[in-house]
Amino acid sequence: EIVLTQSPATLSLSPGERATLSCRASQSVRYYLAWYQQKPGQAPRLLIYDATNRATGIPARFSGSGSGTDFTLSISSLEPEDFAVYYCQQRTNWPLTFGGGTKVEIK
Amino acid sequence: EVQVVQSGIEVKKPGESLKISCKGSGYTFTNYWFGWVRQKPGKGLEWLGVIHASDSETRVSPSFQGQITMSVDKSISTTYLQWSSLKASDTAIYYCARLMSTVYMEVWGPGTTVTVSS
Repeated sequence: EIVLTQSPATLSLSPGERATLSCRASQSVRYYLAWYQQKPGQAPRLLIYDATNRATGIPARFSGSGSGTDFTLSISSLEPEDFAVYYCQQRTNWPLTFGGGTKVEIK
Repeated sequence: EVQVVQSGIEVKKPGESLKISCKGSGYTFTNYWFGWVRQKPGKGLEWLGVIHASDSETRVSPSFQGQITMSVDKSISTTYLQWSSLKASDTAIYYCARLMSTVYMEVWGPGTTVTVSS
């Protein structure tokens, strides 16, 4: 099973700042990695798939990069609605696995 | 509208059985895989497994093998997640989602809250 480790666990930032979230895989997942956003009381939402592709309707301030074992989700300028928990997920091997999540909170 | 609708809140006792549902609409149901994810209170996401709506091909996480069963009823565009004997540790929100062709979870349901308590 591929283990995904996300860091930091919590990121405290102000609106307008840039957020950089990390996801590291225990073995190469090539570029088969997605990012999801989850707000309190809501289901997760797909943001990025295959490392760099924005899902339908996702604003351009969200971008993904990386390949192999190291991946990054960047939010160029935080909007109030971006404060949430973010999860990465790999699809290279069964079982599919999620990272533990990074909470982006208002500083 | 493309959507996934899940069944409502469940409160059960340990040892009881349960079947929760996930209905797809706004697209050709049998063209897609559907996945199930567990989220325990205050915790992260855990991937349970996936099922194809056309032929019921299933892949279950080894962590949940033997504990859960997934099934499909194509006639009503619905997929199910069931337990034969619930435990308190099954208390969680269970999300169903339609998968993209690339296996990522694209269209999510609102979740079904399952509480197991004596």
